Amino acid sequence: GESVGLHLPTLSVQEGDNSIINCAYSNSASDYFIWYKQESGKGPQFIIDIRSNMDKRQGQRVTVLLNKTVKHLSLQIAATQPGDSAVYFCAEKGPGRTGGGNKLTFGTGTQLKVEL
Amino acid sequence: ETGVTQSPTHLIKTRGQQVTLRCSSQSGHNTVSWYQQALGQGPQFIFQYYREEENGRGNFPPRFSGLQFPNYSSELNVNALLLGDSALYLCASSSIPGTGVKETQYFGPGTRLLVL
Repeated sequence: GESVGLHLPTLSVQEGDNSIINCAYSNSASDYFIWYKQESGKGPQFIIDIRSNMDKRQGQRVTVLLNKTVKHLSLQIAATQPGDSAVYFCAEKGPGRTGGGNKLTFGTGTQLKVEL
Repeated sequence: ETGVTQSPTHLIKTRGQQVTLRCSSQSGHNTVSWYQQALGQGPQFIFQYYREEENGRGNFPPRFSGLQFPNYSSELNVNALLLGDSALYLCASSSIPGTGVKETQYFGPGTRLLVL
C-alpha cells in the first residue's frame, strides 16, 4: 500500500550549517513528490517539488534529491537559518488523473530545530 | 501567502453536531482538496473536488461530505461529530488534476476544529 515515512522525527542543526531531511516512500508508481514546510499554527507551505523523471532539482537554498532505486527522497537546506525551524513533510502523488489520483500522501513529518 | 483562504479559523462544537467549513481557492485554480491533520501527524486526504464533482476520496466515512461551487470555492461538511474529529482541516487548491500541469497543491491556513 501507499505510505510515506520519515527517518528522523527531530533534527537539530546549528545556524549556518546544512540540513538534510530524509524520506522513504513505498509506492514505486508515484510520479510526483513535494516538500512542504509547516510552521506552528499555519498550513503547509510549498518548498520544492520533483517529478519522477528527474533525480535532482534545486531551488533557492534548497535541493531535492530523488533516488527511485531505493525509493528515497531528501531535502537539503543550505546555510540553515532560524526561520527554517518548522516541521517538514514530504508528500507523494500516485499516478493517474481520476479516482483520487491527485491525492497527496504525507508522512508524519520531521521537526527541524535551528540552534543559534 | 498562497491566496487560499479558509473560514472560520477556529471552531468549537459538541459531539453529534454538524459543522461546515469553507475554502476559497487561489485565483486560476479549479481543483480543491481537503485534508484532516491530527496533532503531531501529517495531513490525511479526505476528498478532492474538480468541476463541482468529487474526484477521489480517502478513507473517510460518508458523514464527511463536500461541495464545490461554480466559482471553485468549496465546503466540507461533517455530520454527527465525534471527539476524534478534532483536528486541523486543511484545504488545498490546484489546477487540472493528474495532468502534470500546475498540479502542485497550495494550502490554506486551516480551520482548527475542537469537538467536546
